Amino acid sequence: IAGITQAPTSQILAAGRRMTLRCTQDMRHNAMYWYRQDLGLGLRLIHYSNTAGTTGKGEVPDGYSVSRANTDDFPLTLASAVPSQTSVYFCASSERQDFNEQFFGPGTRLTVL
Amino acid sequence: GQNIDQPTEMTATEGAIVQINCTYQTSGFNGLFWYQQHAGEAPTFLSYNVLDGLEEKGRFSSFLSRSKGYSYLLLKELQMKDSASYLCAVMDSNYQLIWGAGTKLIIKP
Repeated sequence: IAGITQAPTSQILAAGRRMTLRCTQDMRHNAMYWYRQDLGLGLRLIHYSNTAGTTGKGEVPDGYSVSRANTDDFPLTLASAVPSQTSVYFCASSERQDFNEQFFGPGTRLTVL
Repeated sequence: GQNIDQPTEMTATEGAIVQINCTYQTSGFNGLFWYQQHAGEAPTFLSYNVLDGLEEKGRFSSFLSRSKGYSYLLLKELQMKDSASYLCAVMDSNYQLIWGAGTKLIIKP
């Protein structure tokens, strides 16, 4: 592994189903983030984690949950998917919260029907 | 509220110079970032400004005026591979990045 990986690459999901998007980094970064990117809008922060064991809510957290059991992994769960959650999801990490560069994973394209 | 404004799309010619502007209104300021994003790919870091002035890095330069809430990204000697979206983001008082919608740059031969 080099950098940040995300899985799956893409997914089509029926509304109401539960889905977990996976994110793993091997850079030993303390801070990790989940964003969604929609056409015509900027990246929007869903949830973040400043260090293993802690998480926080971003701009658009409703309908999503996260956990940070260790430094490397930061999964994002949609408990009951809705069509408005159709988006491209990016995981990112940085050495620490106030560090000046975030590194992004390749993204997961999610379609909820 | 917090707001980042940048043009939706710009067109330029290969070999030329282009300036992409960004204006912002945020709760607090801990730096301004520019990222490049090719279609279907992840954003990648280009530059960071926290003090007023110009930061130069090869063909790319970024300028910041905190008093005006204004930044620009200057791309020189444009190449076809520079066709991408350029994202402006500001780190607010909570150290969270607030993102603009991005400027799609189209390079013509």
